[in-house]
Amino acid sequence: SQQGEEDPQALSIQEGENATMNCSYKTSINNLQWYRQNSGRGLVHLILIRSNEREKHSGRLRVTLDTSKKSSSLLITASRAADTASYFCATLPSNTGNQFYFGTGTSLTVIP
Amino acid sequence: GAVVSQHPSRVICKSGTSVKIECRSLDFQATTMFWYRQFPKKSLMLMATSNEGSKATYEQGVEKDKFLINHASLTLSTLTVTSAHPEDSSFYICSPLTRQETQYFGPGTRLLVL
Repeated sequence: SQQGEEDPQALSIQEGENATMNCSYKTSINNLQWYRQNSGRGLVHLILIRSNEREKHSGRLRVTLDTSKKSSSLLITASRAADTASYFCATLPSNTGNQFYFGTGTSLTVIP
Repeated sequence: GAVVSQHPSRVICKSGTSVKIECRSLDFQATTMFWYRQFPKKSLMLMATSNEGSKATYEQGVEKDKFLINHASLTLSTLTVTSAHPEDSSFYICSPLTRQETQYFGPGTRLLVL
């Protein structure tokens, strides 16, 4: 399966703390994206990082990519209760057309 | 930003009936449409890929006669769950791809088969 795996599956932190989620994948990729999904809702695109990039920032989000280890991490700094959601990584493999493959997701709970 | 709509957003049906889900890209043309399903607290699983005017390509394990996909135009794609059963209950998400190869996601359709 080309589907990625995320770690941890669930994470619970206090408001104000940082949250780190990891994503591992199996094949070489063109890019990797992180999405957020609130319970019962659709996906919201957060950030895209290309295979030749190592780190990207967007507001309180920081994404790293290590293609040698086939892994990525998403860091949310100074978390807020509104950050409570599921977070998925999605990879665009290099050799399988245009479809993304999603990781298993991390369920983040930020306690006020 | 790009707008994608799905209709209906929620549907409850009896076992054995067929359900059609529409996905529309409201302000752009989608050359390719991906359909995903998502089980509770699980990740998205790609079901099939369709290009406008041609037959869909289904992922391994997805029954093409069960999940009929029609990509009749560059702004509309439909997924029909035929003879639905309780195990088909899921969250179905369409994802259109633009000519510039940007992928967007619909808001999803929650199907409950009783």
